[in-house]
Amino acid sequence: DAGVTQSPTHLIKTRGQQVTLRCSPISGHKSVSWYQQVLGQGPQFIFQYYEKEERGRGNFPDRFSARQFPNYSSELNVNALLLGDSALYLCASSLNSGGEKLFFGSGTQLSVL
Amino acid sequence: RKEVEQDPGPFNVPEGATVAFNCTYSNSASQSFFWYRQDCRKEPKLLMSVYSSGNEDGRFTAQLNRASQYISLLIRDSKLSDSATYLCVVNNNTGNQFYFGTGTSLTVIP
Repeated sequence: DAGVTQSPTHLIKTRGQQVTLRCSPISGHKSVSWYQQVLGQGPQFIFQYYEKEERGRGNFPDRFSARQFPNYSSELNVNALLLGDSALYLCASSLNSGGEKLFFGSGTQLSVL
Repeated sequence: RKEVEQDPGPFNVPEGATVAFNCTYSNSASQSFFWYRQDCRKEPKLLMSVYSSGNEDGRFTAQLNRASQYISLLIRDSKLSDSATYLCVVNNNTGNQFYFGTGTSLTVIP
């Protein structure tokens, strides 16, 4: 079975641009979470979606938004990019939303110039 | 105070050594605890869940002390392939958000 897939793997943008990152969870998993990982730090929680509804939001500005589709795939959107948004964006899927183990995709490396 | 705190290391140990990592967490209502392993420029991968009774998986042993709010990971007979960053992970009280430590770097030396 396929694991969590993310696209694109790498992305280069300039300040002020907008970006959309995509994620497909493991088959049968209904929850998708997004994390941001800056070099030298652990992943930071951005969003969790379960059954197309937002179930949690981390301490990120409104420039960050996400959604989940009926097939449980998800998109993360970031508007008005800042240099500080440069990071590895990780998508994780889990069976349900209640604190179960997370399975991560290989991430999207975003560089903002 | 950070939700999860880990000693970042680095830990440099010879092959065959035993090494222990500790982690403390601040939310006493947390219910789920994990150790993840992350190789350079790769995604985190689940190493093991951590249970109150303690659990073992081969050379790896994890312990949870709820009273003191700390989690430990013991690696016995270290292998070169154990070189990685080990992330301590704790969920919030509603279960929908996971907090990661900054990670502890381990290098196993031949």
